[in-house]
Amino acid sequence: EAQVTQNPRYLITVTGKKLTVTCSQNMNHEYMSWYRQDPGLGLRQIYYSMNVEVTDKGDVPEGYKVSRKEKRNFPLILESPSPNQTSLYFCASSPRTSGRYNEQFFGPGTRLTVL
Amino acid sequence: KNQVEQSPQSLIILEGKNCTLQCNYTVSPFSNLRWYKQDTGRGPVSLTIMTFSENTKSNGRYTATLDADTKQSSLHITASQLSDSASYICVVSKMNSGGYQKVTFGTGTKLQVIP
Repeated sequence: EAQVTQNPRYLITVTGKKLTVTCSQNMNHEYMSWYRQDPGLGLRQIYYSMNVEVTDKGDVPEGYKVSRKEKRNFPLILESPSPNQTSLYFCASSPRTSGRYNEQFFGPGTRLTVL
Repeated sequence: KNQVEQSPQSLIILEGKNCTLQCNYTVSPFSNLRWYKQDTGRGPVSLTIMTFSENTKSNGRYTATLDADTKQSSLHITASQLSDSASYICVVSKMNSGGYQKVTFGTGTKLQVIP
């Protein structure tokens, strides 16, 4: 089944304890992205990757890191989480964006709470 | 600033009734507009996509319209069902240099269909 998977789905942690949220897709998509979703603010892009070893900042990159060593994986790293990073996180992937009909396929989400 | 605004923020309708959700945008240069459905606790799923030259697109009981001149879109749901209860997100893309499509998400309309 074509899908985007994220792990963990739920995580409660404490301030300053490094964590990684994994994202994997099996559709051979070039483009991958991380979003956070907060009430009243909609989805906001954190980082995106056009292909392996190519990453760039989105709208809210502060406090996050990413890497893209393999095409299928795009982990999100919080080196020193803070309470304002408590949010619902989504990973998404899509095929090459040269066309006008690219569709992003979203993972199931990771609900993170930082105490 | 590129923005996507949706109205109403929330809506409650009786099962079987029709409803229309609105999306106004200022994103430019416009590439395409998608409507996504997001069930509670899950990732968004694409319903329809429209480009500049398309002014209506249907997907079952969902019909989206686009007026590129006034930068407005609507999503009409016919004969609503309990399973239509979800958030509906309007997403507008613009084409950046290098072929990358920058997406801007609306904050969504939360629809509740009651028996």
